Amino acid sequence: QQQVKQSPQSLIVQKGGISIINCAYENTAFDYFPWYQQFPGKGPALLIAIRPDVSEKKEGRFTISFNKSAKQFSLHIMDSQPGDSATYFCAASTRNQGGKLIFGQGTELSVKP
Amino acid sequence: DSGVTQTPKHLITATGQRVTLRCSPRSGDLSVYWYQQSLDQGLQFLIQYYNGEERAKGNILERFSAQQFPDLHSELNLSSLELGDSALYFCASSERGLAGETYEQYFGPGTRLTVT
Repeated sequence: QQQVKQSPQSLIVQKGGISIINCAYENTAFDYFPWYQQFPGKGPALLIAIRPDVSEKKEGRFTISFNKSAKQFSLHIMDSQPGDSATYFCAASTRNQGGKLIFGQGTELSVKP
Repeated sequence: DSGVTQTPKHLITATGQRVTLRCSPRSGDLSVYWYQQSLDQGLQFLIQYYNGEERAKGNILERFSAQQFPDLHSELNLSSLELGDSALYFCASSERGLAGETYEQYFGPGTRLTVT
């Protein structure tokens, strides 16, 4: 019940296209859902996050869509750029467990010029 | 730059040895989290400290321990090292409040541990 399942494992998108990464969870106590971006040799960097009281959050080219009833959330990267090529992780946490993050398995995104 | 610092950047040691990884949180952050990243296990939560006290524990081995000092920096101690302990170890910090509300976690650059 603690798992967060992420798909796809890898994704290739053309420059200017839309990248979509999906995550699903089981624990209905999760109340915070961040996305992290990680470049090789670097630590994960917080990209955008959402709480379950909203269905969508947009920051620049990055949008989180959240479906509470389906227990799913997704990251959309609009106008994808080669500089977006990185590994993306979804995560979830609950205040009842100290805020520890449960991570998905990661998606390796490659944006082709 | 997240504001979280970790030292050393790389560590190469032999099986059976003990190492200490150090983390300094962002200024003002009271919570420190440790995570392990490996190819087979992904990113896994190890342990959390809040203002010097242990708050949550994940799948942390008994050979591993941590502490947070009065100046809020934290150390992760790994002993009796095995080949399987080779991984990236990340520290993250947040300003998480006493009421349990969740704040954003900011990750450091990590320490790459190689056990030979």
